[in-house]
Amino acid sequence: SAVISQKPSRDICQRGTSLTIQCQVDSQVTMMFWYRQQPGQSLTLIATANQGSEATYESGFVIDKFPISRPNLTFSTLTVSNMSPEDSSIYLCSVVASGPATYEQYFGPGTRLTVT
Amino acid sequence: DAKTTQPTSMDCAEGRAANLPCNHSTISGNEYVYWYRQIHSQGPQYIIHGLKNNETNEMASLIITEDRKSSTLILPHATLRDTAVYYCIVPSNFGNEKLTFGTGTRLTIIP
Repeated sequence: SAVISQKPSRDICQRGTSLTIQCQVDSQVTMMFWYRQQPGQSLTLIATANQGSEATYESGFVIDKFPISRPNLTFSTLTVSNMSPEDSSIYLCSVVASGPATYEQYFGPGTRLTVT
Repeated sequence: DAKTTQPTSMDCAEGRAANLPCNHSTISGNEYVYWYRQIHSQGPQYIIHGLKNNETNEMASLIITEDRKSSTLILPHATLRDTAVYYCIVPSNFGNEKLTFGTGTRLTIIP
């Protein structure tokens, strides 16, 4: 298993500013992901955070808006840049547990972002 | 990812078995069926997964039909803490760990 913490747990930000969200895992993991959950909606994958290289973004998400870093196997950051009210969401990181042939993912508690 | 179809919502009496159906008629032969749930204000939680055979763990049982076009998640003795949104997911491509969350089933356990 993996225990994931995220900072901050919530924040209220003004439009036009940027917020960096941190994700810390208690063990080394191969794969880390960032998801967004807009109010009342399901989760949408933003990108795969790759250790030592650029993140892999899903359709509709770009690096300039959501830059991601992953300096090692236990830590990643997601920045929400030039925020607008439409960016108000819960942002979650997840990791894939070790083991063969499994997609079991562990999710962090999420960061609730409100943009005013 | 193979498309999945789930009822929008369900109710279940506390102490009874909760049976959550999922249709995945376009599933391929080597694709697994995964179930996650999301309790309010928390991140999703893995429940169980299976390929062909029925599976059981400490949380739930997963029944997959012989043709693999549908499955049922069973919570044998539902408690109030099982109130959550339940997601049935069929990830595409073996080794692809990306998850596509649909709308899920909102399960409410009634006291």
